[in-house]
Amino acid sequence: DSGVTQTPKHLITATGQRVTLRCSPRSGDLSVYWYQQSLDQGLQFLIQYYNGEERAKGNILERFSAQQFPDLHSELNLSSLELGDSALYFCASSDGGAENTIYFGEGSWLTVV
Amino acid sequence: GENVEQHPSTLSVQEGDSAVIKCTYSDSASNYFPWYKQELGKRPQLIIDIRSNVGEKKDQRIAVTLNKTAKHFSLHITETQPEDSAVYFCAASTRNRDDKIIFGKGTRLHILP
Repeated sequence: DSGVTQTPKHLITATGQRVTLRCSPRSGDLSVYWYQQSLDQGLQFLIQYYNGEERAKGNILERFSAQQFPDLHSELNLSSLELGDSALYFCASSDGGAENTIYFGEGSWLTVV
Repeated sequence: GENVEQHPSTLSVQEGDSAVIKCTYSDSASNYFPWYKQELGKRPQLIIDIRSNVGEKKDQRIAVTLNKTAKHFSLHITETQPEDSAVYFCAASTRNRDDKIIFGKGTRLHILP
């Protein structure tokens, strides 16, 4: 168990809908990262937050947004969903400091039908 | 921005033989290089990492080497076992800057009986 908690584990939704994925980082970690992994694909970096503020942005679509709350949990919002958004979405966290090893959650499987 | 290239994309080795996976990075400021192992449908898990002030690090059957001048690093697995079959990701990060961690596209390692 990495200590990073993601919900829901599985989600099936229709095209055009909106979903929210939730992540609780490891205790004490200030940085949260979101990655998208499509079938047989690599880990596409979406966005990173550090202590509530956006720190780095990757290939995140405009239909997607994220935020990190004062209690450090994070949410990834996916709207106007398309079939191609079906993927495994990972949240990861790190202390953002000298070690900065990142630990992944179990992921949220999103299927858009 | 940082770009990480990983080769090969697929690797098959006989059980007991060695496996080598190579990565190159583009940002000379990168100073932290973790390797993750991902089994099917599971989260990536850190198996070994190396920092830029070290040229080599070993942990039992796994070793990583880093050549900062050439900007490449490699994962070496010796005496491979069936449980080594997985997808391996390399990554590069600039700790204490933006802390963004960029992953290679992954190598699917098959251990043949």
